[in-house]
Amino acid sequence: GENVEQHPSTLSVQEGDSAVIKCTYSDSASNYFPWYKQELGKRPQLIIDIRSNVGEKKDQRIAVTLNKTAKHFSLHITETQPEDSAVYFCAAPPSGGSYIPTFGRGTSLIVHP
Amino acid sequence: EADIYQTPRYLVIGTGKKITLECSQTMGHDKMYWYQQDPGMELHLIHYSYGVNSTEKGDLSSESTVSRIRTEHFPLTLESARPSHTSQYLCASSGGPLEREDINEQFFGPGTRLTVL
Repeated sequence: GENVEQHPSTLSVQEGDSAVIKCTYSDSASNYFPWYKQELGKRPQLIIDIRSNVGEKKDQRIAVTLNKTAKHFSLHITETQPEDSAVYFCAAPPSGGSYIPTFGRGTSLIVHP
Repeated sequence: EADIYQTPRYLVIGTGKKITLECSQTMGHDKMYWYQQDPGMELHLIHYSYGVNSTEKGDLSSESTVSRIRTEHFPLTLESARPSHTSQYLCASSGGPLEREDINEQFFGPGTRLTVL
């Protein structure tokens, strides 16, 4: 099955700085890579995703990059704000007929005002 | 509005009690999942279902059971609750008649926070 490694586990930045979270995956057939944000006490929600036919996708201050050769994808947040503080999870899609995505262990991002 | 619902949101019970956590979705999704998550920690898959009358155990060993008699309903039952079951339980769903199988965005419910005394 898929193996997903997510780093770092915690990330502390000052407001206005950039934050980068990286995930590596093992299954070269994987083709869809979502990122979820979970605010304190809330449910995880999709914030951005990328498909394997593109290398980068942007949505305002967030972007995701994908390197299929190296089998890693990263979440980039620019001009961080306190409301970006949350736990972020990457996921890699199911493979081999399974419909079960594999989640990374999560990154706790703290943005200090 | 299409959504995924969980009840109760909070539950405090004594050891040995039988409980059922409810999950319903109006998303039209065929796949449903149960995760166990301690606050801010990783998501542990405990059960999943591909459709009606289909249920499987996930990666995390669990003493709970699930059923899927209706597409929109996926309840989780603990026959005898223990303090080690104290956690948050998240229900999720994905897929649907118009969704490609390789696009597997998951939609999560608000969670049930369970405390077993």
